[in-house]
Amino acid sequence: DVKVTQSSRYLVKRTGEKVFLECVQDMDHENMFWYRQDPGLGLRLIYFSYDVKMKEKGDIPEGYSVSREKKERFSLILESASTNQTSMYLCASSTGGTGSDTQYFGPGTRLTVL
Amino acid sequence: AQTVTQSQPEMSVQEAETVTLSCTYDTSESDYYLFWYKQPPSRQMILVIRQEAYKQQNATENRFSVNFQKAAKSFSLKISDSQLGDAAMYFCAYGLYQGGSEKLVFGKGTKLTVNP
Repeated sequence: DVKVTQSSRYLVKRTGEKVFLECVQDMDHENMFWYRQDPGLGLRLIYFSYDVKMKEKGDIPEGYSVSREKKERFSLILESASTNQTSMYLCASSTGGTGSDTQYFGPGTRLTVL
Repeated sequence: AQTVTQSQPEMSVQEAETVTLSCTYDTSESDYYLFWYKQPPSRQMILVIRQEAYKQQNATENRFSVNFQKAAKSFSLKISDSQLGDAAMYFCAYGLYQGGSEKLVFGKGTKLTVNP
């Protein structure tokens, strides 16, 4: 079974802190994604990566950056956390390449910024 | 830009009954994919069913089936013989491969409650 893990289920940070959210997949997937999930807004794509060291902006990249140094690991970075970044963050991965591939999701990290 | 609309924020169904969740989408592409994902409370999002736009036959996975109307840009999910474990948020998603990148656009979700 595909397994996507995220470093924390719950995280509480203070405004202005630098925050790292880690995601690891064990299926040698090419593509990895970071989404933000908010009630009434569904899932919105922040960034995605289709190869090591490659990244592309999604729909809401402002205030975020990403890093993919190894194929299995994709990190989301909040350079200076703000209260409006309080949300559920979901990581996903897929084999990639055709748009038809199933995305496999991690359990999510619920981030609260005080 | 592609958009996905789920017009029912919440739905409820009696156990063993059938329920249909609605989804419409907007696109100018002819080749794309559609998905229904399920997110149970406090659990991971998983794929329920997938449909290729070039296939006229509606996809089916056990108790889950879709009604895909390409001309109307409609993609509804039917759950037959509903079970308590079907209670979840359901997200409709549109998948596109363009410019070497793969992208999913999600609807806002429908919360399904199953009453015993």
